[in-house]
Amino acid sequence: ETGVTQTPRHLVMGMTNKKSLKCEQHLGHNAMYWYKQSAKKPLELMFVYNFKEQTENNSVPSRFSPECPNSSHLFLHLHTLQPEDSALYLCASAPGVSMSSPLHFGNGTRLTVT
Amino acid sequence: GENVEQHPSTLSVQEGDSAVIKCTYSDSASNYFPWYKQELGKRPQLIIDIRSNVGEKKDQRIAVTLNKTAKHFSLHITETQPEDSAVYFCAASNWAGANNLFFGTGTRLTVIP
Repeated sequence: ETGVTQTPRHLVMGMTNKKSLKCEQHLGHNAMYWYKQSAKKPLELMFVYNFKEQTENNSVPSRFSPECPNSSHLFLHLHTLQPEDSALYLCASAPGVSMSSPLHFGNGTRLTVT
Repeated sequence: GENVEQHPSTLSVQEGDSAVIKCTYSDSASNYFPWYKQELGKRPQLIIDIRSNVGEKKDQRIAVTLNKTAKHFSLHITETQPEDSAVYFCAASNWAGANNLFFGTGTRLTVIP
């Protein structure tokens, strides 16, 4: 058990679909993150939430919409995606943002946009 | 923002040999440098980290060195084993009100039995 659980593990969606990715952490952490992992590219930071408040939006297109109802849950709502959005989407959590600290990652959702 | 470069992109070593992966960063204010290991189909996992107030840290067969003047840091794995085969990512962070980690592109390490 990783402590950070992501669902679904795999998702195939058309460009006109609307879907959501879910992340849940049981580590008592206060900060949650969405990263995008594409082949041969660095892990790209997308969004950061600290105590449910969004503290970072790394120039992510509006077709990606995050939601953080509480410190334990994080969603990424997807709509009208493009094929280049196909990637592994990783959720992570950290104790907080009072100092730099390691991230604890989930297993990711492998997204394919057709 | 921070820019982290990582080399090499692939590395093959014989079992028992050492492996070295190098990273450079651009933001001189960066003060935290973790390394993650990602096995095929699995999540990235922290294996070792170092803060800017030390120059070297060791944990069994793994060590990390940091040169703040040159803005580079390296991962050293000694006595490599087949289970060390994975993709390794370096990262850098400058806490400036947010814990934002910026990652390198990864090194695929293959340990040949």
